[in-house]
Amino acid sequence: GAGVSQTPSNKVTEKGKYVELRCDPISGHTALYWYRQSLGQGPEFLIYFQGTGAADDSGLPNDRFFAVRPEGSVSTLKIQRTERGDSAVYLCASSRGLAGGTDTQYFGPGTRLTVL
Amino acid sequence: AQSVTQLDSQVPVFEEAPVELRCNYSSSVSVYLFWYVQYPNQGLQLLLKYLSGSTLVKGINGFEAEFNKSQTSFHLRKPSVHISDTAEYFCAVSSPTDSWGKLQFGAGTQVVVTP
Repeated sequence: GAGVSQTPSNKVTEKGKYVELRCDPISGHTALYWYRQSLGQGPEFLIYFQGTGAADDSGLPNDRFFAVRPEGSVSTLKIQRTERGDSAVYLCASSRGLAGGTDTQYFGPGTRLTVL
Repeated sequence: AQSVTQLDSQVPVFEEAPVELRCNYSSSVSVYLFWYVQYPNQGLQLLLKYLSGSTLVKGINGFEAEFNKSQTSFHLRKPSVHISDTAEYFCAVSSPTDSWGKLQFGAGTQVVVTP
């Protein structure tokens, strides 16, 4: 596609429920990133994929958060037992995956998650 | 580890006036520096980036930034703003010694341009 797409654009759920957020990267981009942006703050790194593997998941806040990218393209961020503090905009980005992290990350519009 | 401080949370500016957005970083290693812009209801878009070489970096939409290693700063400037420059601006840093492309963002500066 022309850009990074994320679905759904908005998700409202109840505390304790399970949610999945989807990211479709730019075609041909091998690197994919998830960030979380809380109100009034900058994006916070969660996890980074190079191909199918998670190269760095150091930003995942706890074991309720998990992400996959089984075929090296689409990625799904999964949150179990959601808590009100998980409410935020979840951003996905992709890049060509050039060595050394010099390439540009292209961001999607985000998924706004609200946990009631 | 590195961190980013954007000194102004909001900057009001009149149309056709210059604007400067301040960004300071802390890091014990060399870094790459970025400025992203987020227009209302849109995703983050790269304005410019510093990787190496000339310390004055020119970006899109007439923006430029200067890398100052001694002051650990990467301030963004535009000599004459338009109404359409109203947006939130984020400074970010990554390190070649850290995981590739893992960006550390500042809290953002909201620019409001009025006629």
